[in-house]
Amino acid sequence: QSALTQPASVSGSPGQSITISCTGTSSDVGGYNYVSWYQQHPGKAPKLMIYDVTYRPSGVSNRFSGSKSGNTASLTISGLQAEDEADYYCSSYKSSSIVVFGGGTKLTVL
Amino acid sequence: EVQLAESGGGLVQPGGSLRLSCAASGFTFSIYWMHWVRQAPGKGLVWVSRINTDGSTTSYADSVKGRFTISRDNAKNTLYLQMNSLRAEDTALYYCARGSYSSSWSQDYWGQGTLVTVSS
Repeated sequence: QSALTQPASVSGSPGQSITISCTGTSSDVGGYNYVSWYQQHPGKAPKLMIYDVTYRPSGVSNRFSGSKSGNTASLTISGLQAEDEADYYCSSYKSSSIVVFGGGTKLTVL
Repeated sequence: EVQLAESGGGLVQPGGSLRLSCAASGFTFSIYWMHWVRQAPGKGLVWVSRINTDGSTTSYADSVKGRFTISRDNAKNTLYLQMNSLRAEDTALYYCARGSYSSSWSQDYWGQGTLVTVSS
């Protein structure tokens, strides 16, 4: 199964907003509202940041938001902070009851 | 506190087998879907498999279908991954993750992983 497509890297300055895209197909991102986003710091386990396209789990800052248009989902981080520097992965349900992840995006806070 | 503790990783020769375990605590294990996700060294996350609450429904990534088997023992609060016919490309850190109660296809808690190395 092909991975979802994410930019390899994005960067921003503290206080700015950044958006990470996640492009799939009508068989995954475009066909279902089951897109999730994960944050992973080096040497740590991933952390769920967004599920079902737009929902934040309890305890996740409201600076993180998700959206979707067609076959592309997006994660926006507003008011960028140093601790946001990490790898970010999107995932989606795909037809045939499987999950596919994106290749990951390294966020650098300048 | 939700805890997931993987074990069973190690060095195995190509063609060999391993069984990973994931001991769950701090939540009612039997009402949650469970997933395995792997991450090769320096690479991204790759979903491997998932199982529903009673073990009656499973699904697998194409890359492991027919070689890996996911199962669970709700009485022991333990998730398993039986891995057969292992290949070099299966080398990775294997994470056990709980399916979110709000959305079973996402994973809201993750273990720290167990490392599987396939090499001669």
